[in-house]
Amino acid sequence: GEDVEQSLFLSVREGDSSVINCTYTDSSSTYLYWYKQEPGAGLQLLTYIFSNMDMKQDQRLTVLLNKKDKHLSLRIADTQTGDSAIYFCAEKAGNTPLVFGKGTRLSVIA
Amino acid sequence: NAGVTQTPKFQVLKTGQSMTLQCAQDMNHNSMYWYRQDPGMGLRLIYYSASEGTTDKGEVPNGYNVSRLNKREFSLRLESAAPSQTSVYFCASKKGDIGTDTQYFGPGTRLTVL
Repeated sequence: GEDVEQSLFLSVREGDSSVINCTYTDSSSTYLYWYKQEPGAGLQLLTYIFSNMDMKQDQRLTVLLNKKDKHLSLRIADTQTGDSAIYFCAEKAGNTPLVFGKGTRLSVIA
Repeated sequence: NAGVTQTPKFQVLKTGQSMTLQCAQDMNHNSMYWYRQDPGMGLRLIYYSASEGTTDKGEVPNGYNVSRLNKREFSLRLESAAPSQTSVYFCASKKGDIGTDTQYFGPGTRLTVL
């Protein structure tokens, strides 16, 4: 079945860039997503990318997709303490529900 | 719009007790989902309802039942709670099945089973 893998933790200094990585197994994935979960809250969609794109930029966020290697990354420029959260990668293939990774906990050190 | 609402926010049960977690959305969405979140396990899909009148099992359905009461409401029932069901439960909804449809999440229900 489909699988989405992420590293569990990332720590960066305030002002640096953060890069969160994700790999997936389903080659028929059509959309890939990044969700953010702040403490004590539900998940919120940050951004998504269609599988025929290799890059998408939205203000401080840059999503890179390497479809050949099934690798997705989220870069956050000028990381702030408010970016501390858990970030989930998710994929969609066909009519099936989204498959989520286990989440990467980003800690931003002031 | 309130979005996706869940009740209760917190619950403590004893082993063997039953309870129903409520979820409602006011966005006229067709699809609704129940997930559980456990440390190190990420989000796991319990059940989902692609449209009113239909429900399907997800990855971890054992020990749970669901009811899609109407288009707005999707409830999750634990008939005989077990300590392994201690978790944070999230309800979510989505307009349809197009990839650009955003999936919205509720704030979660924190359940402890003693």
